[in-house]
Amino acid sequence: DQQVKQNSPSLSVQEGRISILNCDYTNSMFDYFLWYKKYPAEGPTFLISISSIKDKNEDGRFTVFLNKSAKHLSLHIVPSQPGDSAVYFCAASAKGGTSYGKLTFGQGTILTVHP
Amino acid sequence: KAGVTQTPRYLIKTRGQQVTLSCSPISGHRSVSWYQQTPGQGLQFLFEYFSETQRNKGNFPGRFSGRQFSNSRSEMNVSTLELGDSALYLCASRPGASGGTDTQYFGPGTRLTVL
Repeated sequence: DQQVKQNSPSLSVQEGRISILNCDYTNSMFDYFLWYKKYPAEGPTFLISISSIKDKNEDGRFTVFLNKSAKHLSLHIVPSQPGDSAVYFCAASAKGGTSYGKLTFGQGTILTVHP
Repeated sequence: KAGVTQTPRYLIKTRGQQVTLSCSPISGHRSVSWYQQTPGQGLQFLFEYFSETQRNKGNFPGRFSGRQFSNSRSEMNVSTLELGDSALYLCASRPGASGGTDTQYFGPGTRLTVL
């Protein structure tokens, strides 16, 4: 079963506009969520994270929103730049036990920002 | 601080052979996790090591194994390679004392091709 889902395989936006990437999860034990940016044949680069005790976290142009009741999180990039074009992965982790060191990833969303 | 390093970056093997991949974590990080990325299955967790002990293991066959040394460097080994083992293998490190609520930082990956 896919516990973390990114239902949009791709997203295309104009430079300067807002990019909104979405992620849904099913496991209520997840308590820490992360977004990574990835280029082909490279490792994921950490962007921003949020703990389940918060509903928003901001870092520069990146903001992550968490709606626990809906089991939904989103990443907002404002303003979008052509250099943001990449695959974005949502990931989640739970505390302790069989969750040690394990991130569960979504399938990724390809973001293309047009000049 | 230097980031996570992985060697080799590229590897070509034939079916039935075995392979060993190496990962050096960020200085001070004691937890190393390994992931496999394939086009069909996405990013999947293999196992996690902390202080030379495997704390968690994903749903992979016993041909996939790993170990961690006292300096936190880690290796993973795949024996009796199959065509389906062709993938990008990623390692990630984090401080590791907490169950899951800290960020994993990824290396550039090793691209394994099995012929």
